Amino acid sequence: AQTVTQSQPEMSVQEAETVTLSCTYDTSESDYYLFWYKQPPSRQMILVIRQEAYKQQNATENRFSVNFQKAAKSFSLKISDSQLGDAAMYFCALNSGYALNFGKGTSLLVTP
Amino acid sequence: KAGVTQTPRYLIKTRGQQVTLSCSPISGHRSVSWYQQTPGQGLQFLFEYFSETQRNKGNFPGRFSGRQFSNSRSEMNVSTLELGDSALYLCASSLVPGRLGVQPQHFGDGTRLSIL
Repeated sequence: AQTVTQSQPEMSVQEAETVTLSCTYDTSESDYYLFWYKQPPSRQMILVIRQEAYKQQNATENRFSVNFQKAAKSFSLKISDSQLGDAAMYFCALNSGYALNFGKGTSLLVTP
Repeated sequence: KAGVTQTPRYLIKTRGQQVTLSCSPISGHRSVSWYQQTPGQGLQFLFEYFSETQRNKGNFPGRFSGRQFSNSRSEMNVSTLELGDSALYLCASSLVPGRLGVQPQHFGDGTRLSIL
């Protein structure tokens, strides 16, 4: 069975600061993908960043980057220069087949 | 390019009724998946369709069903509604099924279903 755990129900960051959201996972697969999705109040799940498990290099998308520690099964998301528009629920997800397994999410609050 | 379109956006039903939700994938996307999102259980996979065939199904009772049409549009149906079916139902599409890291899923805005 695959599990994804996000231990931080809520996080807060000031504008322009950096915040890191944590995610741990468990899978017996050797080939899998990890994702961070953002869900603003509009409800649409927006893909933020993805990481292929066999790639050691951490993925980066503009202000978003991940710290992928395969041995520790850890996949954290770092948001740099936080903006008010970053406020949303963030979900970590794991895929090794046909569906995504999501964590419970972290609510990110961005304060001016 | 239009995104994934789900209709209706909101729906209110009573226990025992049935409901049909619709999802139009991104043009060219042939795989459609459905997820249920609730505060208690989080996001859970319902089923996946490709080429009008259900390829995979999550751990949900038979009251939950779906289908896919030749134009890749999909519908899901829930019969004999229960209070616990109140949720946000999200549809996601991708070019083809399989390794979602290569062909990631794109989600719609969801249908908020409330059962009274």
